[in-house]
Amino acid sequence: GQQLNQSPQSMFIQEGEDVSMNCTSSSIFNTWLWYKQEPGEGPVLLIALYKAGELTSNGRLTAQFGITRKDSFLNISASIPSDVGIYFCAGLAGGTSYGKLTFGQGTILTVHP
Amino acid sequence: DGGITQSPKYLFRKEGQNVTLSCEQNLNHDAMYWYRQDPGQGLRLIYYSQIVNDFQKGDIAEGYSVSREKKESFPLTVTSAQKNPTAFYLCASSIQVGRKAFFGQGTRLTVV
Repeated sequence: GQQLNQSPQSMFIQEGEDVSMNCTSSSIFNTWLWYKQEPGEGPVLLIALYKAGELTSNGRLTAQFGITRKDSFLNISASIPSDVGIYFCAGLAGGTSYGKLTFGQGTILTVHP
Repeated sequence: DGGITQSPKYLFRKEGQNVTLSCEQNLNHDAMYWYRQDPGQGLRLIYYSQIVNDFQKGDIAEGYSVSREKKESFPLTVTSAQKNPTAFYLCASSIQVGRKAFFGQGTRLTVV
């Protein structure tokens, strides 16, 4: 089945720094979603991307749907301590796997004050 | 309040017993999903349903079963055939396939 390779696995940064993470796949996806999860909770949707090349912002977060439809990027600018958590990408497939929502392995973000 | 409700938050069962996890949504969403999350891991898809009375296996369906008799409900049964059932289970829904999905708070199942 589809696999999403998310990198980096973890990041340790200072407050105020910018963060970049990405997801890649050998399969094409029709939708890319980015989530944040805190311990013991369900993931919370941050950004949804529906078109190849689309660039969408949500406050300090910016995400892009890769032009090949096989990758996506999430940037966080001017990080703050409450950005700590696990960030997941997710892709919605088409074709024979239509409707299947697949997740990456996550990026653990630690922000030092 | 609108949203996705998973209950209970914590569930304990003895090995060899079947257990059913509840997922209810009042968002009028067509699509619903079940995921399993192990410590330090990503989310793995168990089953998904695009519409009422229809569902498909995900990547790790063995040892699990689902039903979708009502639009608002998508219960997951963890059977005794599931070799390692202790995990955090997450339910999600979206208004239709291909649109953004929202998650419940999860159920932490411990089998002893």
